[in-house]
Amino acid sequence: NAGVTQTPKFQVLKTGQSMTLQCAQDMNHEYMSWYRQDPGMGLRLIHYSVGAGITDQGEVPNGYNVSRSTTEDFPLRLLSAAPSQTSVYFCASSSLLDRGIGNTIYFGEGSWLTVV
Amino acid sequence: GNSVTQMEGPVTLSEEAFLTINCTYTATGYPSLFWYVQYPGEGLQLLLKATKADDKGSNKGFEATYRKETTSFHLEKGSVQVSDSAVYFCALSDLGAGGTSYGKLTFGQGTILTVHP
Repeated sequence: NAGVTQTPKFQVLKTGQSMTLQCAQDMNHEYMSWYRQDPGMGLRLIHYSVGAGITDQGEVPNGYNVSRSTTEDFPLRLLSAAPSQTSVYFCASSSLLDRGIGNTIYFGEGSWLTVV
Repeated sequence: GNSVTQMEGPVTLSEEAFLTINCTYTATGYPSLFWYVQYPGEGLQLLLKATKADDKGSNKGFEATYRKETTSFHLEKGSVQVSDSAVYFCALSDLGAGGTSYGKLTFGQGTILTVHP
């Protein structure tokens, strides 16, 4: 009953450090994505992937890298952390099996990141 | 581009009160519409969805009707409980190439709901 698993749940970084947020799903979903949640702004899409080896930018991609070497995993890398990247990060996945509109998107429990 | 606007919160209600959280959207295509709920310290859970005009999504006593003419998807519940205290997000998913949404959602800013006994 794992679904979408994110690690770590909490992390404090110093400005300029790099780190990777891990995301794994066990539902064989083709699509995976990363969002950040900031107060009063809802969730905003950072990067997404429609399958292994394919990634694309979302609304706020700057300062983040992603890769998709397997169907299961979609890590998010912060290259040089900045205080503006203090946020809650959510990984999500969904399947093509619903054949189009309305396919349910499943979210992980979130990663709380603070950059000091 | 696509956008979602939710009523500003926070919303504070007494138990058994009627709840409405307004949501309107702007989209270039024919979006699917969703309500997600986030309980304290947890991730987002899908509450309900509607995929075409006049569809009504419902779950756990919550309802929302897809109104194309008013571009709205307001969330309602007839009698709220303390356990409904959470943040509620309205979202839309637009169709990409091939008629799939590619897991890309556009969210509203969220509405904090607090229900007192």
